[in-house]
Amino acid sequence: RKEVEQDPGPFNVPEGATVAFNCTYSNSASQSFFWYRQDCRKEPKLLMSVYSSGNEDGRFTAQLNRASQYISLLIRDSKLSDSATYLCAVNRGNDYKLSFGAGTTVTVRA
Amino acid sequence: NAGVTQTPKFQVLKTGQSMTLQCAQDMNHNSMYWYRQDPGMGLRLIYYSASEGTTDKGEVPNGYNVSRLNKREFSLRLESAAPSQTSVYFCASELGTRQETQYFGPGTRLLVL
Repeated sequence: RKEVEQDPGPFNVPEGATVAFNCTYSNSASQSFFWYRQDCRKEPKLLMSVYSSGNEDGRFTAQLNRASQYISLLIRDSKLSDSATYLCAVNRGNDYKLSFGAGTTVTVRA
Repeated sequence: NAGVTQTPKFQVLKTGQSMTLQCAQDMNHNSMYWYRQDPGMGLRLIYYSASEGTTDKGEVPNGYNVSRLNKREFSLRLESAAPSQTSVYFCASELGTRQETQYFGPGTRLLVL
């Protein structure tokens, strides 16, 4: 089983819609969780960290479910500019090194 | 600030050739990382350096060597390239050592024939 797994998508949604997707992780000792955004043929950029209590940044909401070992990202009121691949990253707990998922592709259409 | 820069942007090699990928950061960060990204797989850590003068292996170090030349620069060397090393290589840096706020370079696309 991969350490971090994501539904590759693509999730095709109209502008203004809400889209949500999850990332599951296998190491129960993981302590830190992140969402990165990667545009086509570009480098990943940190979108947000995921805290135990969940956190929100504008239209983006991240949640952590430790019992079921997954994190989620919800995008409200989708914009065309939200089209990207979203990578989740989870630290391995023992050495703080991150394991990345392969990414979920979101395409927002006009 | 340029942030994290990488050279070259693209490279084509023949099997058995060697090359060095260069990475530099101007943010006075302590830690630097090399990743590879392949289709259908997440970013995988090749090597990292928590400080000038130290380097450690990541998940997939075989076939690579690194040098932390100074605080700014961290190079990745392929001594004898293989087709399996065809990938996109990203360098990243951060102030701390816990990979909590990494800044990535634009990447190097490498094709090994």
